[in-house]
This record gives sequence, structure tokens and C-alpha cells, in this order.
Amino acid sequence: IVMTQSPLSLPVTPGEPASISCRSSQSLLHSNGYNYLHWYLQKPGQSPQLLIYLGSNRASGVPDRFSGSGSGTDFTLKISRVEAEDVGVYYCMQVLQIPTYSFGQGTELEIK
Amino acid sequence: EVQLVESGGGLVQPGQSLRLSCTAAGFTFGDYAVHWVRQAPGKGLEWVGFIRSKTYGGTTEYAASVKGRFAISRDDSNSIAYLQMNSLKTEDTAFYYCIRGFAVAGTYSLDYWGQGTLVTVSS
Repeated sequence: IVMTQSPLSLPVTPGEPASISCRSSQSLLHSNGYNYLHWYLQKPGQSPQLLIYLGSNRASGVPDRFSGSGSGTDFTLKISRVEAEDVGVYYCMQVLQIPTYSFGQGTELEIK
Repeated sequence: EVQLVESGGGLVQPGQSLRLSCTAAGFTFGDYAVHWVRQAPGKGLEWVGFIRSKTYGGTTEYAASVKGRFAISRDDSNSIAYLQMNSLKTEDTAFYYCIRGFAVAGTYSLDYWGQGTLVTVSS
């Protein structure tokens, strides 16, 4: 399954909203009703951290300005009001098919 | 606090072997799967493989790029997972992360990541 993110670079003014798109080459909607799609943020110099799991569920400790939506092949990560600490590279990841879990190319968010 | 610490990285020549360790703390290690993901310097993320918990058979799965060369194992009594890497190639050069795999809704959420260890394959 090929994961395609857009844009690849996203300059944002603090306090403004931001949106990242992730499209999969196959539907990630499982027969159980869950979308097998996660979102991660890799801050500069750090390992990735889980933001959103199963398409729309915020991970523990993740601020509510982050939200995930979408179903099937089209997904979106939204940040309602970008803060300076949100800089880094955002990745979507599909966990539908073992052993071919795969990530998007990454979207680099920078502050204007 | 959940912690995963990788160790064992370093510089090796093509064709050689290396074993990475992932030492866990702060949770019941045996109840979770362990995944490995790698990242070539300055590049994106690539899933390498994982080992299920004993509850789910303790079996392993691997990406096509490493299948037959890499092997994942676990020692639940000491909360350690291993990534044995054989016949290393220059394209295996990367930071290697171990990640806790939380079983949810029939799949896994890779929820806690270690800090990574760098493996460099070069002559």
C-alpha cells in the first residue's frame, strides 16, 4: 500500500490552522469499521511520537488542537492553531497489511 | 513511565552481522508486541518487522527488504527484545527504533518509541 502525503512542506504562521493530507492506494477501512491509519510527529532531533491512532483517536497527552479525520483512502490531520512546538515532520502510517506496514513520505511543518 | 532503550548500534562492514537490543521499562513487557522501524539519515520511516506477544503466539513478521536476513526475538523475563541483523548491506544504514506495539481493534498502535540507535554499514 502506497501512502502519499501533501503538502511535503508546510509553512504556517503561529495561531493559524494547518492541514495535512494523506492518501492510500488501497482502502484502510477494515470490516470492523476502524480505519487502520495512524499519525506521528517527529520533532527535530527526536524519535517519532504517536499523535492520532485509528484515524481519529488522539493518543494520551496529545493536545486537543490536533484532530484526525477521513475514511477509506483519504485522511486529514488538522491543527486548529499552530504553536511553535508543533514544528517537525508529520507522518501517516497504514497498519492494515502485515507484513507491509508503510509510512507516507512525511510533511515538514515550519513556522513562518 | 514507559521507556524503551535501544543499544548495540555501530559501524560494521558489508556482509557482517550486528545484534541490537531494546530494553523496556515501565510496563508489563510480555503483554505487548515489539516493532522495529528504521530511518536512513535525513530520510523517512521504514517499518522493519515485529514480534507478537506470547499471548498471540510470539511469532514474527518482516518487511520484504530484510526478510531472511533479520530476525527478531524477545526475552520477556528481562524485558528485552532483539534485532539480529545478518548479511548487512550499505542500504541498511539507518537509525533503528524499537517501539511498543499496543494491540487495538485487530491491529497495532505503535505508541511508545525508543530514542534509536545508529547502524552504519560501510567498508
